[in-house]
Amino acid sequence: GENVEQHPSTLSVQEGDSAVIKCTYSDSASNYFPWYKQELGKGPQLIIDIRSNVGEKKDQRIAVTLNKTAKHFSLHITETQPEDSAVYFCAAPLISNFGNEKLTFGTGTRLTIIP
Amino acid sequence: DAGVIQSPRHEVTEMGQEVTLRCKPISGHDYLFWYRQTMMRGLELLIYFNNNVPIDDSGMPEDRFSAKMPNASFSTLKIQPSEPRDSAVYFCASSFERFYYEQYFGPGTRLTVT
Repeated sequence: GENVEQHPSTLSVQEGDSAVIKCTYSDSASNYFPWYKQELGKGPQLIIDIRSNVGEKKDQRIAVTLNKTAKHFSLHITETQPEDSAVYFCAAPLISNFGNEKLTFGTGTRLTIIP
Repeated sequence: DAGVIQSPRHEVTEMGQEVTLRCKPISGHDYLFWYRQTMMRGLELLIYFNNNVPIDDSGMPEDRFSAKMPNASFSTLKIQPSEPRDSAVYFCASSFERFYYEQYFGPGTRLTVT
């Protein structure tokens, strides 16, 4: 079926270094790609998104890139800080087996920033 | 705005009991989603509503699960009877119709069925 694959599942980065999380999707019709951050004991929070008509979007230390041909998109966090430690989820709208379009989430990346 | 509100935050119940989870979406949002999060299956969409009408409940695991949205500011997810495998964190999320995929999540309800 349609899915979103996310790598790596865990990532440890020295404070100040960069972190990159990658996702691939299967539905070539997908046109919106959000990233969510989930801190311990909280719900996922939308932190950045990108639409299929652009290849890159930046918001301060966070950037997302999209390659529609290869059907993959990535989250880049620069100058990482301890508060960046969390689980990050990518997502993409995919057509389900029942013919409806649903926002489908990757399996998550647990990012740990080492002070 | 207070964001999406869910209650209770934690629920511990015995197998066979009825469980009701509650959600208040962000005011003005047209869509409401119920998700379940477990280590094994990740974040799964159970059901979603548009303007209080259920649109897709294909993610509801079985007949023991039901959801309602009697008005624009309130929704419930009910499990009857509950089973230990229902233990998970249940999230409610809402969004504007125009930005359907920009979903705002509540803090979740951690359900433990013993």
